[in-house]
Amino acid sequence: EDQVTQSPEALRLQEGESSSLNCSYTVSGLRGLFWYRQDPGKGPEFLFTLYSAGEEKEKERLKATLTKKESFLHITAPKPEDSATYLCAVRSGGYQKVTFGTGTKLQVIP
Amino acid sequence: SAVISQKPSRDICQRGTSLTIQCQVDSQVTMMFWYRQQPGQSLTLIATANQGSEATYESGFVIDKFPISRPNLTFSTLTVSNMSPEDSSIYLCSGKETWDNEQFFGPGTRLTVL
Repeated sequence: EDQVTQSPEALRLQEGESSSLNCSYTVSGLRGLFWYRQDPGKGPEFLFTLYSAGEEKEKERLKATLTKKESFLHITAPKPEDSATYLCAVRSGGYQKVTFGTGTKLQVIP
Repeated sequence: SAVISQKPSRDICQRGTSLTIQCQVDSQVTMMFWYRQQPGQSLTLIATANQGSEATYESGFVIDKFPISRPNLTFSTLTVSNMSPEDSSIYLCSGKETWDNEQFFGPGTRLTVL
């Protein structure tokens, strides 16, 4: 069974203080690792898909990287509007089922 | 990507009653899913909604409790039947435009059962 573990559970940063969120996964045949952002009271918003070790993707202050066992979401010089819960998910094998982690709740303080 | 809307956005219901949640996508999608997200927890897949046939349910979820319909490529409903307080949760509709695309989500329906 696929497993996704995210750490830390919560992270509090000062504005401009860069950091990374971790997503460790166990799957049989990775078919995609996904990062989502979820604001309170809203559905998850898609950020990135990574398919193979060594792949990187960037969007504004966010950069996602992937190894064979984990993914990192790097946040550079965060702003208060980056405050949200960040979810990691994996899809494996020939299945369409996506397994989600429990998320990292990020708070960026002005 | 396509945009998903859900109705109602929230509801407070009495124990033993049923609620039907509607999910509308603004364009045709290959696949649609229903998730549950309980407070402080991650998303749990309830079922895959199949067009014109019975939904495919995940372990721990049954059709009698969560009947699902998908009459076409843009619309689905989830009914939460014979509700109890343990059914209080956020219910999310999700879609995929093609087999390999990422999923996108609706805004969710916040259900409280008294």
